[in-house]
Amino acid sequence: GQSLEQPSEVTAVEGAIVQINCTYQTSGFYGLSWYQQHDGGAPTFLSYNALDGLEETGRFSSFLSRSDSYGYLLLQELQMKDSASYFCAGDNFNKFYFGSGTKLNVKP
Amino acid sequence: GAGVSQSPSNKVTEKGKDVELRCDPISGHTALYWYRQSLGQGLEFLIYFQGNSAPDKSGLPSDRFSAERTGGSVSTLTIQRTQQEDSAVYLCASSLAGLQETQYFGPGTRLLVL
Repeated sequence: GQSLEQPSEVTAVEGAIVQINCTYQTSGFYGLSWYQQHDGGAPTFLSYNALDGLEETGRFSSFLSRSDSYGYLLLQELQMKDSASYFCAGDNFNKFYFGSGTKLNVKP
Repeated sequence: GAGVSQSPSNKVTEKGKDVELRCDPISGHTALYWYRQSLGQGLEFLIYFQGNSAPDKSGLPSDRFSAERTGGSVSTLTIQRTQQEDSAVYLCASSLAGLQETQYFGPGTRLLVL
């Protein structure tokens, strides 16, 4: 089956760096995506890793290692507005499978 | 349009009734996705349309759920004989091409089945 596991909640202080991990068990994802969702809002696409390695977009970076069935989202210079839920998702040809999400709490 | 739009924004219905949810994707986007999100839960993928290809319907929760996409643009998600467990936010997204492209989400339809 397809399953993606993330920590349920992470707390960090403003200005810090936080890493949100995603491990998966699957018969083969093409890539790993990350989404941000603020309370009451719709998800926003952050990144997609089709290849192993690190993808950097501003303060956010995402990493994928297919051999380890593992990925992570790295958020640098945390801001209060980064407080949200973050979901990883794997795609397998014509379906998406989402993790249960990690609630990030950024404290002053 | 400027973004993905969905209607209605909220829907309250009685158990056993049919409901139809609509999604208007961003103009020119060939891929369209439906998701469901129960309160405090993650996203559940329902179905994905790519161009004029027939979608894989195996992600739909039951045979009471069906989805269509007419003319490669507007999509409707229909739930027949609604049940209380169908209560959720139904989200639609579109992307320029396939699964590796950025998905842009609509505001969702909040469905409450009494």
